[in-house]
Amino acid sequence: DSGVTQTPKHLITATGQRVTLRCSPRSGDLSVYWYQQSLDQGLQFLIQYYNGEERAKGNILERFSAQQFPDLHSELNLSSLELGDSALYFCASSVDPGGNTIYFGEGSWLTVV
Amino acid sequence: QKEVEQDPGPLSVPEGAIVSLNCTYSNSAFQYFMWYRQYSRKGPELLMYTYSSGNKEDGRFTAQVDKSSKYISLFIRDSQPSDSATYLCAMSAGGSNYKLTFGKGTLLTVNP
Repeated sequence: DSGVTQTPKHLITATGQRVTLRCSPRSGDLSVYWYQQSLDQGLQFLIQYYNGEERAKGNILERFSAQQFPDLHSELNLSSLELGDSALYFCASSVDPGGNTIYFGEGSWLTVV
Repeated sequence: QKEVEQDPGPLSVPEGAIVSLNCTYSNSAFQYFMWYRQYSRKGPELLMYTYSSGNKEDGRFTAQVDKSSKYISLFIRDSQPSDSATYLCAMSAGGSNYKLTFGKGTLLTVNP
């Protein structure tokens, strides 16, 4: 158990809908990262927050947004969902913003039908 | 050319074999190199972390980095069925602009 908690574990929704994925980082970790994992693209970095502020942005679509709250938990919002958004979404956390050693949660498995 | 290339396998070995997993990369700015293990439908788990070139050993696992060749390796000695998983290499340049770049992973099966 990495200490990073993600909910929900599984989610099935229809195209065009919006979902919110939630992440609680390890105790004491200030940085939160979101990754998308699909069979063809592998693990893709989406976005990083450090202590409530956006730190780095990766291949995140405009339909997706995230935030980190004062209690350090984070949410990833996915809207206008398309079939191609079906993937495993991971949250990870680290103590420092450099994030060379990050710890992953178990993931949220999103299926868009 | 992708920044990080990793043979997806699958790789199947008998129990007790020595396993060699490799990644190549193109970005010479990478200084931090990691190996993650991912069991089916689970989150990646940090296995080894190395800074710059050299070797690092942890139990049955040895990580090697050759920056001159832009090549990293993970060796698993006395492999066990419980080592069956996908192994992902990851690397970053460090500094203020964080970005960890992953290989696509190699699926390893260790047969009893």
